[in-house]
Amino acid sequence: DQQVKQNSPSLSVQEGRISILNCDYTNSMFDYFLWYKKYPAEGPTFLISISSIKDKNEDGRFTVFLNKSAKHLSLHIVPSQPGDSAVYFCAAGFSDGNNRLAFGKGNQVVVIP
Amino acid sequence: KAGVTQTPRYLIKTRGQQVTLSCSPISGHRSVSWYQQTPGQGLQFLFEYFSETQRNKGNFPGRFSGRQFSNSRSEMNVSTLELGDSALYLCASSGLAPDTQYFGPGTRLTVL
Repeated sequence: DQQVKQNSPSLSVQEGRISILNCDYTNSMFDYFLWYKKYPAEGPTFLISISSIKDKNEDGRFTVFLNKSAKHLSLHIVPSQPGDSAVYFCAAGFSDGNNRLAFGKGNQVVVIP
Repeated sequence: KAGVTQTPRYLIKTRGQQVTLSCSPISGHRSVSWYQQTPGQGLQFLFEYFSETQRNKGNFPGRFSGRQFSNSRSEMNVSTLELGDSALYLCASSGLAPDTQYFGPGTRLTVL
């Protein structure tokens, strides 16, 4: 049972424009959400996270929005750069210290120069 | 600070064999988690070890096992390999909070 879902497996965006990635989850007990970025032949790299007590977290060009009532989060990348071309994974977990994350299947982002 | 290292990076085995993968966490990290990544299923949690004890376990058969040593290094073992075990196996080490999970480059296992 997929507890974290990422639809629209791939996204193409022009350099300088906004990339928006969406993620839905089913388990209302999740209280910590993360985005990871993955290049081929490398492990996922942590990008940004958000706790369920917040609805927005910003770090440079990356902003994550959380809508708890809709069990939905999104990642905004502004402006998109060619180096952002990668697979992005949404993950959900618990802030109790148990490191067990549920991942979505990923979104392939291609930024066109 | 050195990152998470995994050995070997690539492995080819045949059905029925067993395999052992190794993970060295970031210095000071006591938690090591293992994930399986396949094209169809994405990343799936296998298990987590903390202070040499299995703390969490995912929904994988008993053929998948692991252990952690006193220096926090971890090994994962898969016995009686099946074709469907072909995947990228990722190890992540972390402190106490989920946002400090740092992944290694993975071990690409191919079962023929």
